[in-house]
Amino acid sequence: QVQLVQSGTEAKKPGSSVKVSCKASGGTFDNYSITWVRQAPGQGLEWMGGIIPLSGRTHYAQNFQGRVTITADKSTSTTYMELSSLRYQDTAVYFCARGDCSGGHCYKEFDFWGQGTLVTVSS
Amino acid sequence: SYELTQPPSVSVSPGQTASITCSGDNLGDKYVSWYQQRPGQSPVLAIYQDNKRPSGILERLSGSNSGNTATLTISGTRAMDEADYYCQTWDSNTVIFGGGTKLTVL
Repeated sequence: QVQLVQSGTEAKKPGSSVKVSCKASGGTFDNYSITWVRQAPGQGLEWMGGIIPLSGRTHYAQNFQGRVTITADKSTSTTYMELSSLRYQDTAVYFCARGDCSGGHCYKEFDFWGQGTLVTVSS
Repeated sequence: SYELTQPPSVSVSPGQTASITCSGDNLGDKYVSWYQQRPGQSPVLAIYQDNKRPSGILERLSGSNSGNTATLTISGTRAMDEADYYCQTWDSNTVIFGGGTKLTVL
């Protein structure tokens, strides 16, 4: 069974950066994507971007272009999401999720999700 | 940019059928997935490729997608179905989520 285990809670100050990790186990990176989704308190799901670890190719949501960087370390089956220039409004739970690349499209649906990482931005 | 619209809330009596809609331009031309999210938990894939159920998802959940509207249907609704539900599609390597619908089982 695939498991995605994320790093722990973070408390950050405005203007700083945060890097959240997502380690996959019980499966491989072959033919899968890892996507990052965030959820502000009481709000809906917001897609931030994703990566296809096999190729390293990344895709980012327009809202986060220039502020988010997603990387993958195939040797440890770990994906990272770094968000810079943090604002109070970035306070949210950040999720990673796995997408299947079969058929050549890697963001069709997300079948396994991490437990979420709470990032709080406060002065 | 592409948008998906869901009603903020749907209420249903136990044992009845709940329908949650998701609207977007020519949405029927795209694949739609649905996620269930209970309070304090991660989303769970409930329906993918419009009407397929992952293993472990109850047969009471079904999906359809045609025209501009995708629909998640929950038959014989139970208290355990009370949750937030999100539709999702993708376009040119961009993922779009609907705003979410809170299902209340009265």
